[in-house]
Amino acid sequence: GQNIDQPTEMTATEGAIVQINCTYQTSGFNGLFWYQQHAGEAPTFLSYNVLDGLEEKGRFSSFLSRSKGYSYLLLKELQMKDSASYLCAVLDSNYQLIWGAGTKLIIKP
Amino acid sequence: ETGVTQTPRHLVMGMTNKKSLKCEQHLGHNAMYWYKQSAKKPLELMFVYNFKEQTENNSVPSRFSPECPNSSHLFLHLHTLQPEDSALYLCASSQETSGSYEQYFGPGTRLTVT
Repeated sequence: GQNIDQPTEMTATEGAIVQINCTYQTSGFNGLFWYQQHAGEAPTFLSYNVLDGLEEKGRFSSFLSRSKGYSYLLLKELQMKDSASYLCAVLDSNYQLIWGAGTKLIIKP
Repeated sequence: ETGVTQTPRHLVMGMTNKKSLKCEQHLGHNAMYWYKQSAKKPLELMFVYNFKEQTENNSVPSRFSPECPNSSHLFLHLHTLQPEDSALYLCASSQETSGSYEQYFGPGTRLTVT
């Protein structure tokens, strides 16, 4: 079967760095997405990785290792507004998105 | 109006009621999706429409009935629901012909079945 694993919840301190991991087992791979979802709001696109390596976008970076079936989202200089759920999703061989359950990130002052 | 909109934002209905959820996208996309989001569970894809044609139906019970009259509008008709159908229902759209599979989401309808 297809499976995406990510931690249920993480806590970090304002101004610090946090890494949210995602491991996947899917039928085929056409890229991996990270989305951010604030409580009661729509998920919004953060990043897309299809090749191995690190993609940096401001305070957020996303890493992919296809051979290990592994990705992480790195958030630097954490701000209170970064408190949200972070969803990992893989585009499978049928170009369907397979979603993880999301990681709830709590930022403390 | 921009992006993807959904109405209503909140809905409470009894098990014998019939209601409809509406989604509209103002992005010129050719694909639209219905998802169910339950607490601490992955997003569940329910239906996919591509150029108004339904291309996916992931074993969704017949009490959920989608309708896509044009590429900008998507409905989800609900009847005789069960309490376990209470969830956040998200609509999304994408422009797959561009080679981009990024999906744009609406804010969702929070559905409670009593």
